[in-house]
Amino acid sequence: DSGVTQTPKHLITATGQRVTLRCSPRSGDLSVYWYQQSLDQGLQFLIQYYNGEERAKGNILERFSAQQFPDLHSELNLSSLELGDSALYFCASSVGAGEDGYTFGSGTRLTVV
Amino acid sequence: AQSVSQHNHHVILSEAASLELGCNYSYGGTVNLFWYVQYPGQHLQLLLKYFSGDPLVKGIKGFEAEFIKSKFSFNLRKPSVQWSDTAEYFCAVKGSSASKIIFGSGTRLSIRP
Repeated sequence: DSGVTQTPKHLITATGQRVTLRCSPRSGDLSVYWYQQSLDQGLQFLIQYYNGEERAKGNILERFSAQQFPDLHSELNLSSLELGDSALYFCASSVGAGEDGYTFGSGTRLTVV
Repeated sequence: AQSVSQHNHHVILSEAASLELGCNYSYGGTVNLFWYVQYPGQHLQLLLKYFSGDPLVKGIKGFEAEFIKSKFSFNLRKPSVQWSDTAEYFCAVKGSSASKIIFGSGTRLSIRP
């Protein structure tokens, strides 16, 4: 157990639907990062939050949004889902900006049918 | 901008063979460098990291990496691989003024028993 908790572990949903993925960072970590991992795209950075504020944005689609709450947990919202959104979504956390590296959660496997 | 490239997409070795996975980065300043491993069906775990000092870094499970500044490289090595080393390996870099870690596309390592 890495200390980063992601729920749910698996999610199967239909095209056009909306889902919410949840991440609780390791205790003491203020930064949360979301990554999408697919076979053809590798590990793609989506978005970063630090202590409730958005810090960096990567290749995140407009259909996707995220936030970090006062208790530091984060949610990634994916809407108008398409087949191509099927992937593993990882959350990672770090104390500061990640100089010591990130701690990853076990991921949420999203399957869009 | 920072970037990292891993030239080997898939490496196949026999048990007890020596391993070297290539990693090159691009960044015009001080960097922190990382190698992560992802075992089948699991999350990314930190193998080792380099911040400063001795360019030869030793990590877990017998892995080591050498930082060669003049070549912008941080290659991962292991003298004798085991079947349990079958996994995907990601090189990553964080520039001193960057807000996030950038991951390479990964190298899949398959070990023949």
